[in-house]
Amino acid sequence: DGGITQSPKYLFRKEGQNVTLSCEQNLNHDAMYWYRQDPGQGLRLIYYSQIVNDFQKGDIAEGYSVSREKKESFPLTVTSAQKNPTAFYLCASRPLAGGDGELFFGEGSRLTVL
Amino acid sequence: SQKIEQNSEALNIQEGKTATLTCNYTNYSPAYLQWYRQDPGRGPVFLLLIRENEKEKRKERLKVTFDTTLKQSLFHITASQPADSATYLCAPRGTGANNLFFGTGTRLTVIP
Repeated sequence: DGGITQSPKYLFRKEGQNVTLSCEQNLNHDAMYWYRQDPGQGLRLIYYSQIVNDFQKGDIAEGYSVSREKKESFPLTVTSAQKNPTAFYLCASRPLAGGDGELFFGEGSRLTVL
Repeated sequence: SQKIEQNSEALNIQEGKTATLTCNYTNYSPAYLQWYRQDPGRGPVFLLLIRENEKEKRKERLKVTFDTTLKQSLFHITASQPADSATYLCAPRGTGANNLFFGTGTRLTVIP
């Protein structure tokens, strides 16, 4: 079945460590997005990419990095520079043409810093 | 900068009643507006879209209105059921917009 797969679903990290969250889609979508969700704050955009080897910062990119080496994959690295990384991270994708422009989301990755 | 507000962080209603959720936006002129449903610990799921030239859109028990003068969208669930309990997010969109913003969401609880 087509969809977006995020892994791991739960991740624990010690302070000072970098972690990478995986996001893979087999929907053949051009655009991919990473959002962070905190209680009471809704979804905030971290990074997005419309094409392979290109990506743009969102509102809260500091302390994060991404890559888009393949159309299907858009991993997010949470670096030690991110001061408050504990959150629920959501990856999404959408085609750039056709449809209602809706985002298709993965099931999320919950990161906890110990 | 754009601001998207969904009033009522939480809304409780009795089963069978109509739930009405509000989305207000400022400093923005969206070409269309999307609504999503999010269950706890899950990713949001797209429900429906309304364009700026549409006053109202319906899908089964869902109805959405879009008033570009008031800069507001209303989301209605008629004959609500406990299974409708979830957080609902609005997302106004500009034409060709790639930087996509969401409201903070309203957590709806339908009481049996």
